[in-house]
Amino acid sequence: NAGVTQTPKFQVLKTGQSMTLQCAQDMNHEYMSWYRQDPGMGLRLIHYSVGAGITDQGEVPNGYNVSRSTTEDFPLRLLSAAPSQTSVYFCASNLPGTDNTEAFFGQGTRLTVV
Amino acid sequence: GQNIDQPTEMTATEGAIVQINCTYQTSGFNGLFWYQQHAGEAPTFLSYNVLDGLEEKGRFSSFLSRSKGYSYLLLKELQMKDSASYLCAVRADYQLIWGAGTKLIIKP
Repeated sequence: NAGVTQTPKFQVLKTGQSMTLQCAQDMNHEYMSWYRQDPGMGLRLIHYSVGAGITDQGEVPNGYNVSRSTTEDFPLRLLSAAPSQTSVYFCASNLPGTDNTEAFFGQGTRLTVV
Repeated sequence: GQNIDQPTEMTATEGAIVQINCTYQTSGFNGLFWYQQHAGEAPTFLSYNVLDGLEEKGRFSSFLSRSKGYSYLLLKELQMKDSASYLCAVRADYQLIWGAGTKLIIKP
């Protein structure tokens, strides 16, 4: 049972470089999301998707792009990395709705931008 | 606005009981979640409350009062492995609004 697979686990980028964080889930969840976690702050939503072909912005979308071509995959792209994007990133998936639809998280990506 | 408050850090003794509080002010409410997060790891689901009252699950219990915008997580018979951060999150429509988390330190 793979659940949510997120890669890479660690990454160092230079300012201005671009990269893609990969996220895949095998639970057929419609809802997927990307968060960043910074010390002393709660998880903050970057982008989310309620199904293939549908994405929307969260609380802190600037500097990030997403796409959802399949139910399984939800990559996060940093177009031009900045030191302010140094953070731990988590991908999560869950079933939509208002019941007990717990979110399942990937292992996280610790990103440092120098 | 959306706001969730939890204490930043708590300390408790192995074998004891600890209560972690969470207060929230959100534009909508479709349930409250508690997650556990060990250092360097991803959050994992602990409990879910959508109706007022207490939900018990082994050593962990969670309480909700929607009228007061208040929840707590109760951990009994504390073990060293319970040392972690505990995150409170409120579902408002599709989105989860997260508190900053409470770091729980367990001392022998």
